[in-house]
Amino acid sequence: AQSVTQLGSHVSVSEGALVLLRCNYSSSVPPYLFWYVQYPNQGLQLLLKYTSAATLVKGINGFEAEFKKSETSFHLTKPSAHMSDAAEYFCAVTRSGSARQLTFGSGTQLTVLP
Amino acid sequence: GAGVSQSPSNKVTEKGKDVELRCDPISGHTALYWYRQSLGQGLEFLIYFQGNSAPDKSGLPSDRFSAERTGGSVSTLTIQRTQQEDSAVYLCASSPDKGLANTGELFFGEGSRLTVL
Repeated sequence: AQSVTQLGSHVSVSEGALVLLRCNYSSSVPPYLFWYVQYPNQGLQLLLKYTSAATLVKGINGFEAEFKKSETSFHLTKPSAHMSDAAEYFCAVTRSGSARQLTFGSGTQLTVLP
Repeated sequence: GAGVSQSPSNKVTEKGKDVELRCDPISGHTALYWYRQSLGQGLEFLIYFQGNSAPDKSGLPSDRFSAERTGGSVSTLTIQRTQQEDSAVYLCASSPDKGLANTGELFFGEGSRLTVL
């Protein structure tokens, strides 16, 4: 079975500060990993993905994530938070690359303080 | 339209009533998914359509839930005899390919928020 754990349902950072959203996965085989973002009153959109190529993945809006097999982690980071980054972020994992087996985490709500 | 369109955006219904939720995927996308998003929880897979293949219904929580996709395009999710625990946001997504390894992306609609009183 595979699962995703997102530590912290709510994270607050000051504008300009580092953003770190944590995601740990469990999977019996090398996974595919994704981060999606959901802005208020909008659908989810893909932020970035890991599909067994480079372990450091760069996404849109300055976000990046590093796949660490030894730690079974795929944490999302951004060096400097912007007010427009306020949203809910979801980590997701699939073993086979099929969305039928895509498992989402419970989400982390990011608040950016002025 | 340019994106995945869902209707209604909000639906309030009484317990025991039937509801229908509609999804219009991006033109040309062969794969269509329904998810349920409950407060404080992640997305729960419900059903998956791929082209003319039989749908994967493994995520439907009960036989009160059903979905169809007509002509390989528009999909309708039907919930019969709604219960309060059915209250959630129902999200539809489409993809041009059944394999995420290539496309790496599902395109989501804004969702239909269902409230069962």
